[in-house]
Amino acid sequence: KNQVEQSPQSLIILEGKNCTLQCNYTVSPFSNLRWYKQDTGRGPVSLTIMTFSENTKSNGRYTATLDADTKQSSLHITASQLSDSASYICVVLDNYGQNFVFGPGTRLSVLP
Amino acid sequence: SQTIHQWPATLVQPVGSPLSLECTVEGTSNPNLYWYRQAAGRGLQLLFYSVGIGQISSEVPQNLSASRPQDRQFILSSKKLLLSDSGFYLCAWRLSSYNSPLHFGNGTRLTVT
Repeated sequence: KNQVEQSPQSLIILEGKNCTLQCNYTVSPFSNLRWYKQDTGRGPVSLTIMTFSENTKSNGRYTATLDADTKQSSLHITASQLSDSASYICVVLDNYGQNFVFGPGTRLSVLP
Repeated sequence: SQTIHQWPATLVQPVGSPLSLECTVEGTSNPNLYWYRQAAGRGLQLLFYSVGIGQISSEVPQNLSASRPQDRQFILSSKKLLLSDSGFYLCAWRLSSYNSPLHFGNGTRLTVT
């Protein structure tokens, strides 16, 4: 069964600190993996996309990694800001191009 | 630029009442359209998707239905709501290319009482 798991379920950090969120997937065949940020009460917004051949990709203070062999991805946030408080969702698209499998998300709270 | 509108933002409905949620997309043609439901602590669940006018695929059997009367309009409906229909409903669109992301609306919080 295609699944996406994320850890931790929730995370609290102080402003300015770094953090890393984890995503493990069993989706096969694999097309790409995206990280989305979802603010409370809003729709998710795409942060970055990782394809099979990519290992690392950065988008400002966000850096995503992908290990296609172990089927793991991480999202690293550097120098966190209060506005980073949100849920971060890992989404994997299968190679047929239509089936998005969503992880349950990690709820990040950045405190002053 | 492309935008997606979803309304209403919140809705409180009694059990057994009908439902109609609407979603429209601007700035693109022939988008793929999706309805998702999000439960707390769980991943988004795909309810319906459409690749064209009048073409609806259902992923989960339930008392909800969807329609696409126009290219950029997607409607989620129910004739009689159940308590279990409460949740956060998200509409999304994307282009048909495999690297195209999902673009989400801001969701509708539905509470069935």
